[in-house]
Amino acid sequence: EVQLVESGGGLVKPGGSLRLSCAASGFTFSTYNMNWVRQAPGKGLEWVSSISSSSGYRSYADSLEGRFTTSRDNANSSLFLLMNGLRADDTAVYYCVRAISFDGLTPYYLDHWGHGTLVTVSS
Amino acid sequence: EIVLTQSPGTLSLSPGDTATLSCRASQTVSGHYLAWYQQKPGQAPRLLIYGASTRATGIPGRFSGSGSGTDFTLTISGLEPEDVAVYYCQKYGSLPLTFGGGSRVDIK
Repeated sequence: EVQLVESGGGLVKPGGSLRLSCAASGFTFSTYNMNWVRQAPGKGLEWVSSISSSSGYRSYADSLEGRFTTSRDNANSSLFLLMNGLRADDTAVYYCVRAISFDGLTPYYLDHWGHGTLVTVSS
Repeated sequence: EIVLTQSPGTLSLSPGDTATLSCRASQTVSGHYLAWYQQKPGQAPRLLIYGASTRATGIPGRFSGSGSGTDFTLTISGLEPEDVAVYYCQKYGSLPLTFGGGSRVDIK
């Protein structure tokens, strides 16, 4: 069974940093494109970032303005999101999501989601 | 960037009814690269449909997708109380991945 378990969320002050982790199991992590998707309270879904199976290709939403960095550790089946310069509008549940990719680089549809971790940015 | 507009915002129907949800793209979505997700209250989203019309593993036959180009539809036939959720469409094939704003389905 595919499992994605996020951790690392919490309350952080504006301008602060946070590192989210996602532990994957039940599939060959090193062969899948992985993503972060977020959802602000009461709002819709927003794609945040994508990383290819070998980490060679990473992409981010323009709205992040270079503040976030995604990485992965295939040896330990883990995905990470380092968030710097956090702002109030970054407050959201962050989901770790597995993507099906036909070319290995671009995520296509999102077939397995974690339960999410809540990040709250407030003074 | 392709913008996806979903309608209606909220749909309130009786058990056994048919729900028809629309997703309209601002530009042509190539290759039928359109997916639908279901998000029940308090839960993570779940993949329902990909390739505009292919049901994901384990999804009941009452869920069906159709459409191409800029107009796509998710149909739920024989609505059940467990179908209460927000439904999102998403385009893929190029970045950024974008989602529609969602359509909420309630049971009367």
